[in-house]
Amino acid sequence: AQKITQTQPGMFVQEKEAVTLDCTYDTSDPSYGLFWYKQPSSGEMIFLIYQGSYDQQNATEGRYSLNFQKARKSANLVISASQLGDSAMYFCAMREIGGRGSTLGRLYFGRGTQLTVWP
Amino acid sequence: NAGVTQTPKFQVLKTGQSMTLQCAQDMNHNSMYWYRQDPGMGLRLIYYSASEGTTDKGEVPNGYNVSRLNKREFSLRLESAAPSQTSVYFCASSAASGGIRWETQYFGPGTRLLVL
Repeated sequence: AQKITQTQPGMFVQEKEAVTLDCTYDTSDPSYGLFWYKQPSSGEMIFLIYQGSYDQQNATEGRYSLNFQKARKSANLVISASQLGDSAMYFCAMREIGGRGSTLGRLYFGRGTQLTVWP
Repeated sequence: NAGVTQTPKFQVLKTGQSMTLQCAQDMNHNSMYWYRQDPGMGLRLIYYSASEGTTDKGEVPNGYNVSRLNKREFSLRLESAAPSQTSVYFCASSAASGGIRWETQYFGPGTRLLVL
């Protein structure tokens, strides 16, 4: 079973509008972290935001916020006031604290959502 | 502060050739990782090093070896390259010292490898 599922291969949003990128996850570990990364066309992986499984409040970092619904196992990224520079591939990832062996240290990545912001 | 650096940026190899990808971080992080990214897929872990002197296999270790030379440097070696190893390779590091927040991984710019 996929640990991270991103069901939107592509999303389009007009500049200055908000957009939500979906992410669902699968784990039986009570302690985990959820991360979002941005990969622009230049190829680098840029860390955006983090949410811990025990955090009481949804994470926010500037225009990025994470809509964390633990019971639904979802961790959607919300980008407010989209900018042209937000056009990129976005990856959701999870790290399990209780991992063992080959899973220890591993970030599980989804397949990504390509976001296009148009003027 | 350069963060995580990788060399080379691009490489073309012939089947059977060997090469080493270099990675260094200047953030005093304990843990370092090697991932590969293939089209239409997220990143998959090849090897990781939880601390200086230790290395462990990840999800896709076959055909690769690693060396954690010191706390700063973590290299990935392809002994006999195959076309299936054509990919983009990312090195990452994390502090990994108490609490999951410290597990945030920071990535290098990547190495694009083509094996003919």
